[in-house]
Amino acid sequence: SSELTQDPAVSVALGQTVRITCQGDSLRRYSATWYQQKPGQAPLLVIYGKNYRPSGIPDRFSGSTSGNTGSLTITGAQAEDEADYYCNSRDSSGNHVVFGGGTKLTVL
Amino acid sequence: EVQLVESGGGLVKPGESLRLSCAASGFTFSSYRMNWVRQAPGKGLEWVSSITSSSHIYYADSVKGRFTISRDNAKNSLYLQMNSLRADDTAVYYCARDLPPYTYAYGDWGQGTLVTVSS
Repeated sequence: SSELTQDPAVSVALGQTVRITCQGDSLRRYSATWYQQKPGQAPLLVIYGKNYRPSGIPDRFSGSTSGNTGSLTITGAQAEDEADYYCNSRDSSGNHVVFGGGTKLTVL
Repeated sequence: EVQLVESGGGLVKPGESLRLSCAASGFTFSSYRMNWVRQAPGKGLEWVSSITSSSHIYYADSVKGRFTISRDNAKNSLYLQMNSLRADDTAVYYCARDLPPYTYAYGDWGQGTLVTVSS
């Protein structure tokens, strides 16, 4: 079983703000990293480190980690943000990498 | 432009072997930690294995002892030798490059290669 826990599904109205969370003990030590994956595509890194966005990722995406919870916030969700979102970090031992189970985001 | 191109996937029977390759270009391959991540049909992402620039190697418990990761810096290539394949190894296998110093932030991914294990 995954050491990072995500809600299976979340929905948001177009233009509203949504937060997707990721829980796990390893997040007390390591920041959560976030990926977006659309059907038939490879994952796309959207947030890493404290709250960094790779080039080309819109600034409506932001991230934070506090205690054992990592959060991805989309401020003003767009239709094109509808996708699966995965968090990852190192595991508690620090030697392995773990992914959350993923959250399917629906934009209404 | 960074490019990662996986190859070697296919249909094999349980217990058989397969070798995946990932051809890298557009960056100094030898300087980066490289990784394999897989995704079973309709399921989430699963980290499989990583190899550092100095060839330190790590495996998920689910593949340890059956899979072997390696790299050839002269050929800018990453490999995954998969032995004793099982039905639950069926997945799309992605090659991914990390984003130093964030060694679990995978900034670049290949398009994936499908491995199907079925009798």
